[in-house]
Amino acid sequence: DAMVIQNPRYQVTQFGKPVTLSCSQTLNHNVMYWYQQKSSQAPKLLFHYYDKDFNNEADTPDNFQSRRPNTSFCFLDIRSPGLGDAAMYLCATTPEGAGEQYFGPGTRLTVT
Amino acid sequence: GENVEQHPSTLSVQEGDSAVIKCTYSDSASNYFPWYKQELGKRPQLIIDIRSNVGEKKDQRIAVTLNKTAKHFSLHITETQPEDSAVYFCAASRHNDMRFGAGTRLTVKP
Repeated sequence: DAMVIQNPRYQVTQFGKPVTLSCSQTLNHNVMYWYQQKSSQAPKLLFHYYDKDFNNEADTPDNFQSRRPNTSFCFLDIRSPGLGDAAMYLCATTPEGAGEQYFGPGTRLTVT
Repeated sequence: GENVEQHPSTLSVQEGDSAVIKCTYSDSASNYFPWYKQELGKRPQLIIDIRSNVGEKKDQRIAVTLNKTAKHFSLHITETQPEDSAVYFCAASRHNDMRFGAGTRLTVKP
């Protein structure tokens, strides 16, 4: 059974056209994360939510925003995608604190 | 903030040999150290983890060691098999944040 679901799996958007990626979880975990992973690189943490408490990484561009309307769902909004934003975007969850993160399958974003 | 360094970036071994990947971290308050395996186009998968109150943990062919004083931890894979070929990431976490090492591409030659 899928525990962390990401939609869509593949997303193509045009340069500058806003795009939203979604993540949902059936684990009832308090913490949800968004990572950006470019080819041959490590996942880079963009931000995370502890319940409704939003935590932005210092080097995450303002172009990236996030929403968490409830425990199950979290969205990543890219306001004006650039070519450099093409990447795999991974959502992950954890109950709380330092522990195993459960990753979704990722959304591969292409910017044309 | 936490900084995790991982070495080597690539590692090639013969099937049946052992593989060792090493990581160092900077934040002495980090208390959770997972290792993830990622195959091409797939999500990272946890293969083993260790907490700061433990020095070593083993799961079949995989083991992790942690030296808190030196702030480094290592992954050991014994009797490697071709299906162990993948990219391996170490990570360190204190609370709700996690920082990944740059990754090691392991190739196991049959």
